Amino acid sequence: QQQVKQSPQSLIVQKGGISIINCAYENTAFDYFPWYQQFPGKGPALLIAIRPDVSEKKEGRFTISFNKSAKQFSLHIMDSQPGDSATYFCAASLFSGTYKYIFGTGTRLKVLA
Amino acid sequence: DAGITQSPRHKVTETGTPVTLRCHQTENHRYMYWYRQDPGHGLRLIHYSYGVKDTDKGEVSDGYSVSRSKTEDFLLTLESATSSQTSVYFCAISEWAGGSYGYTFGSGTRLTVV
Repeated sequence: QQQVKQSPQSLIVQKGGISIINCAYENTAFDYFPWYQQFPGKGPALLIAIRPDVSEKKEGRFTISFNKSAKQFSLHIMDSQPGDSATYFCAASLFSGTYKYIFGTGTRLKVLA
Repeated sequence: DAGITQSPRHKVTETGTPVTLRCHQTENHRYMYWYRQDPGHGLRLIHYSYGVKDTDKGEVSDGYSVSRSKTEDFLLTLESATSSQTSVYFCAISEWAGGSYGYTFGSGTRLTVV
């Protein structure tokens, strides 16, 4: 119930292509879904986040699509660039005084120049 | 990184020894967290704190203890280090930034238990 399943584990995309990473959850009480980007040797950094009352959120080239009935959400990176090469983590959380995130296992993205 | 400093950045220790990792923040954040990152597991919550001397367990708290005697410092102690605790440890605070709520992580401590 507390798991967040993330796929694929790794992804290779050509420059200019679309990168798609998917996550699925079981706990319908989750109410906040952030995505994090991590470069080697660094801590994860918040990229974009969505709440379940919204089906899509876009920030620049990054879009979260959210399907509440299917309990799935995905990150789309449009016009992928070599600088987007990083590990991406989805997460889900339930507010209980604070947010305690349950993270997916991560997707290592490589964008070829 | 929102004034979060982790120390040490790297440590090698022997099995059975106690180890303390330090997280220091400069912006008076109430909530602080310790996560560990392992391949195939993502990030998993060890302990978190919601104020001075107020802490609670996360999903992988066995073998770890924490203390927060000052707002700015959150310490993670491995009471008797084991090889399974070889990992990268991240401290985080939670805050609103750019219209979104999220964690800001430190740069991590890479711990190797031999």
